[in-house]
Amino acid sequence: NAGVTQTPKFRVLKTGQSMTLLCAQDMNHEYMYWYRQDPGMGLRLIHYSVGEGTTAKGEVPDGYNVSRLKKQNFLLGLESAAPSQTSVYFCATQRGSSYEQYFGPGTRLTVT
Amino acid sequence: GQQVMQIPQYQHVQEGEDFTTYCNSSTTLSNIQWYKQRPGGHPVFLIQLVKSGEVKKQKRLTFQFGEAKKNSSLHITATQTTDVGTYFCAAMNSGYSTLTFGKGTMLLVSP
Repeated sequence: NAGVTQTPKFRVLKTGQSMTLLCAQDMNHEYMYWYRQDPGMGLRLIHYSVGEGTTAKGEVPDGYNVSRLKKQNFLLGLESAAPSQTSVYFCATQRGSSYEQYFGPGTRLTVT
Repeated sequence: GQQVMQIPQYQHVQEGEDFTTYCNSSTTLSNIQWYKQRPGGHPVFLIQLVKSGEVKKQKRLTFQFGEAKKNSSLHITATQTTDVGTYFCAAMNSGYSTLTFGKGTMLLVSP
């Protein structure tokens, strides 16, 4: 089993470009999350989903959109990238409420 | 939203020394989780504490949840170079569907 995978691993974008990050899981977990990690800031929640077809905003949702059309996939979109979105993005899954989270390997995004 | 403060931000120890990181909240927590992130890696779940005053051990790691459920600590006895990384606490939010992470404590261990 692959667990949680993220595509791509690295990406460089120019300001104003768009892109989609893909998170895929084979653990049949209900909940999925997108975080960003910046130096000294810990992990901050961008958006999350508690089930197929549902999404909700986290702590820092501005500039991002998400979709969960299939249970196993959670997509994070940047419509018009800004340098402030340079970060490491982690996807995570959770079996249900009150359980631990499993993280993907991360995507390192640089916006110039 | 819920906030958890984690101290210290950074600690450098000699191999064999002990290490402790603390997590504090101004509000009562339903539960707290601890994660470890190795340099260049992703966070990995270590443990969850739920009960007031709970103490759990994993080999050289001891986790505690305060009696008032407003603080928690992770203590490592006799650190090893394999303990290097950043340790995060994370509080479960009401609704039990999201976590709020502390900013982490980065541990460096010199041989």
